[in-house]
Amino acid sequence: KAGVTQTPRYLIKTRGQQVTLSCSPISGHRSVSWYQQTPGQGLQFLFEYFSETQRNKGNFPGRFSGRQFSNSRSEMNVSTLELGDSALYLCASSLVSSMNTEAFFGQGTRLTVV
Amino acid sequence: GENVEQHPSTLSVQEGDSAVIKCTYSDSASNYFPWYKQELGKGPQLIIDIRSNVGEKKDQRIAVTLNKTAKHFSLHITETQPEDSAVYFCAASTRNTGGFKTIFGAGTRLFVKA
Repeated sequence: KAGVTQTPRYLIKTRGQQVTLSCSPISGHRSVSWYQQTPGQGLQFLFEYFSETQRNKGNFPGRFSGRQFSNSRSEMNVSTLELGDSALYLCASSLVSSMNTEAFFGQGTRLTVV
Repeated sequence: GENVEQHPSTLSVQEGDSAVIKCTYSDSASNYFPWYKQELGKGPQLIIDIRSNVGEKKDQRIAVTLNKTAKHFSLHITETQPEDSAVYFCAASTRNTGGFKTIFGAGTRLFVKA
C-alpha cells in the first residue's frame, strides 16, 4: 500500500510569508503527527491530530498551526516565516489502537526561508 | 519537561564489529520505545521497537534492551555492514488522555567502515 506522502518536497519562501504543507497518511491511519527536523535541534514534535482534533502539541509558537480533514489528510501552516523556520518538516501517520503506536514517516518537506 | 538523551552523537565502527547506542528518558509514563534509521534524503524508518512490559527484543542483527527502573534503553547492531551507515534516533512515547506524544533523542550518526 502507498506510504505517507508529503507535498511539496521542497519549498523556498521569504521572511514574513506564510506556508502550507500537506500530508496524506497511509490509508486507514487516523493519527497524523508533525515534526520539525533541524541539524541543531534534531526532531522536535509539533502536534498530533486524530479524527480532525488536535490531541497533543509541542512547544512551538502560535505561528505554527495545523488541521486534519475528514479523510485524515493533514495540513500544517506556518505564518510570518522567520529564517529559523528553515528545516525539514516531517509527517508521520499511525494506526492507533490501544497498543500499536508505530509511526510511519513521509520523506518530508524541506523548507528554506530566505 | 520530558526529554530523551542519546549517546554517542557519532559512532564509527569497522565492518563486522558491533555498535551500541544508548538512550535515557525522563518521563516515567513512557511505555513505547521505537528506534528509527534515517538515510540521507529520506524520512526516518522504524527498525525495531519495544514496549514497557518487555525487557529485550531481537530481530536478526538488531536488538533492543529496556531497563524501566533506570529509564535506559539501548540499540545493539551486530555484524555491522556498510549499509548500516545512517543516523539512528531513539524515541520515548507516552500515552496521555486520548493521544500520544513522542520525544526523540538527538540522533547518532553511525559510520561503518569497509
